[in-house]
Amino acid sequence: DTGVSQDPRHKITKRGQNVTFRCDPISEHNRLYWYRQTLGQGPEFLTYFQNEAQLEKSRLLSDRFSAERPKGSFSTLEIQRTEQGDSAMYLCASSFGLSSSYNEQFFGPGTRLTVL
Amino acid sequence: KQEVTQIPAALSVPEGENLVLNCSFTDSAIYNLQWFRQDPGKGLTSLLLIQSSQREQTSGRLNASLDKSSGRSTLYIAASQPGDSATYLCAVRPGGYSTLTFGKGTMLLVSP
Repeated sequence: DTGVSQDPRHKITKRGQNVTFRCDPISEHNRLYWYRQTLGQGPEFLTYFQNEAQLEKSRLLSDRFSAERPKGSFSTLEIQRTEQGDSAMYLCASSFGLSSSYNEQFFGPGTRLTVL
Repeated sequence: KQEVTQIPAALSVPEGENLVLNCSFTDSAIYNLQWFRQDPGKGLTSLLLIQSSQREQTSGRLNASLDKSSGRSTLYIAASQPGDSATYLCAVRPGGYSTLTFGKGTMLLVSP
């Protein structure tokens, strides 16, 4: 399958623990995005990479959140000292884009995080 | 700040009906608009992308239109089927940004 993949699909953790999610984009895509979606809401942007450079970060991305894309391929999103308010679906998307291009985004299946 | 609104929030129709989902956005300076489908507990599936210079896009039974100047888009679904039951999300890519701003979605139920 050549789509966007995410791992794990589900994560249950206790408040205060650290968690890390992985996203593997479509292989030729240079852009990678993280979004967060809570129940009944649309996805909200968290951060975005072009190749290995992190170009945008939302105000939603507190100091407890960090994302990397070390070789411009897969990406990880880490949440430190998780809180119950972090419970959400974390979605990854990728696209191939230049500065003003078509840039259709393709989404992965998401990681459902539950913080107890 | 770009805001996206989708109306109605939920819609229930019998199989076979043609239906229209509405999306409005506050800032007309967009690169493109994308319609997605989301099944419960799943990720998003891209349905159609309309560039800001385009008026509409079609894929099978789906047709999406864009009126950028008035900040509106519609998704038309012809001859609805129970398999179309899902949440439909509209998202715009604001000018100068690479990310998407989403609406809250329209939850569609098509009954046999």
